[in-house]
Amino acid sequence: SQTIHQWPATLVQPVGSPLSLECTVEGTSNPNLYWYRQAAGRGLQLLFYSVGIGQISSEVPQNLSASRPQDRQFILSSKKLLLSDSSFYLCAWSRGRDGHYEQYFGPGTRLTVT
Amino acid sequence: DAKTTQPTSMDCAEGRAANLPCNHSTISGNEYVYWYRQIHSQGPQYIIHGLKNNETNEMASLIITEDRKSSTLILPHATLRDTAVYYCIVRGYGGATNKLIFGTGTLLAVQP
Repeated sequence: SQTIHQWPATLVQPVGSPLSLECTVEGTSNPNLYWYRQAAGRGLQLLFYSVGIGQISSEVPQNLSASRPQDRQFILSSKKLLLSDSSFYLCAWSRGRDGHYEQYFGPGTRLTVT
Repeated sequence: DAKTTQPTSMDCAEGRAANLPCNHSTISGNEYVYWYRQIHSQGPQYIIHGLKNNETNEMASLIITEDRKSSTLILPHATLRDTAVYYCIVRGYGGATNKLIFGTGTLLAVQP
C-alpha cells in the first residue's frame, strides 16, 4: 500500500531564516506530487506540482521554491521566511497518468514564523 | 475549471443523513464533480467523484442533477467523526497534472 510522509509535523522559525520541508511517498512510482498551503480558516492553495524528477511548476509567485531530487521525494524551501509564510503546509500525491486519480494527502506541517 | 458554490456551514444530527449541496452552473460537458473532506488539522481525504450518473461508495452517495448544474453529497448516517469541511471541486478529465482547485467548502457539524 502507498503511504506519504511529511516532516516535521510542527515548526517554529524566526523571520528571515531558511526553510526546508520534506515529503516522501512509498509504495508507488512516478507519482504526481503537490505542495499546498492553508492559512488558518482558509481553503487550500496549490503552490507547486511536479509530474517527474526535476520538473516543477509554480502556481503562485512567492518566496518559496520546490524541488524534486528523487522520484518520490518533494521538498519545499525558502531562503528567507516571512511572517506571512505562517501556515499549514500539505504535500499530496496522485498517480501520474491521465485520468481520475484522487490525491492522497500527507499529515501536514504547521509552520509558525515569529 | 468551473467554479463551485457551497454553503459556508451546515448542522446535522448524529445518525441522520447529511445532504451537502453544491452549485456548479458553469460546468462543461467534460468536467467531473469531485468531493473531498478535511477533518480539523488533517490533510483532505477523497470521498467520491462522478460525471452525470449517481454514484455510491462505502463513504457516501453523489447525486448529480440532470442538467449537471448542481449536485448533492449524501452521508447516509452521519457520525461525530464526519464533522469536517467538505469540498466540492469540478475539473476536466485528463491532463497530466491532475490538479485540483479547492474552494472554501462547507463546514459540516454533526451534533450528538
